[in-house]
Amino acid sequence: AQSVTQPDIHITVSEGASLELRCNYSYGATPYLFWYVQSPGQGLQLLLKYFSGDTLVQGIKGFEAEFKRSQSSFNLRKPSVHWSDAAEYFCAVGRNDYKLSFGAGTTVTVRA
Amino acid sequence: NAGVTQTPKFQVLKTGQSMTLQCAQDMNHNSMYWYRQDPGMGLRLIYYSASEGTTDKGEVPNGYNVSRLNKREFSLRLESAAPSQTSVYFCASSERPPMNTEAFFGQGTRLTVV
Repeated sequence: AQSVTQPDIHITVSEGASLELRCNYSYGATPYLFWYVQSPGQGLQLLLKYFSGDTLVQGIKGFEAEFKRSQSSFNLRKPSVHWSDAAEYFCAVGRNDYKLSFGAGTTVTVRA
Repeated sequence: NAGVTQTPKFQVLKTGQSMTLQCAQDMNHNSMYWYRQDPGMGLRLIYYSASEGTTDKGEVPNGYNVSRLNKREFSLRLESAAPSQTSVYFCASSERPPMNTEAFFGQGTRLTVV
């Protein structure tokens, strides 16, 4: 069975501090991995994606993620968080059967 | 650019009532999806349409029906609404099935069933 796990339900970080959001997946084939962000009352916006090649991928808004096959992880990072980064973040995996499966999400709160 | 447009944005239904959620995309995408979002559960796929003329069940299809009206439009119908269907519904589209393509999402429909 395929699944996406985001171990942290809620993270609070100070503005200017670094942020790391964890994502683990279980999938037998080559994974296609995504991070989406959802601001309050909004739809989802793609931050970055990994299909193949370089395991460190850069995204929008200063985010990056690293794919580690040995750990089945695709963690999202940002070196310095801004107040506007307060949102909910979803990790997702694209499957061969046309489906995009999401983790439960991590809510990020940014304190001044 | 409109992208993916969902109507309505908010809706309150009484138990047993029916309604249709509308979704349209202007990106000439082949594939469209309906998800529901519930606290602590992420997004779960209700139905999808890999291409015009086809629809298939996702993870949580019970109580819903869909129609791929044309390439642009994909509607979701609740025939007899139940309180368990209180949720936020998102429509999405992608150029092709989402294995390795980006999905674009609408703004969501917040549905409350009382």
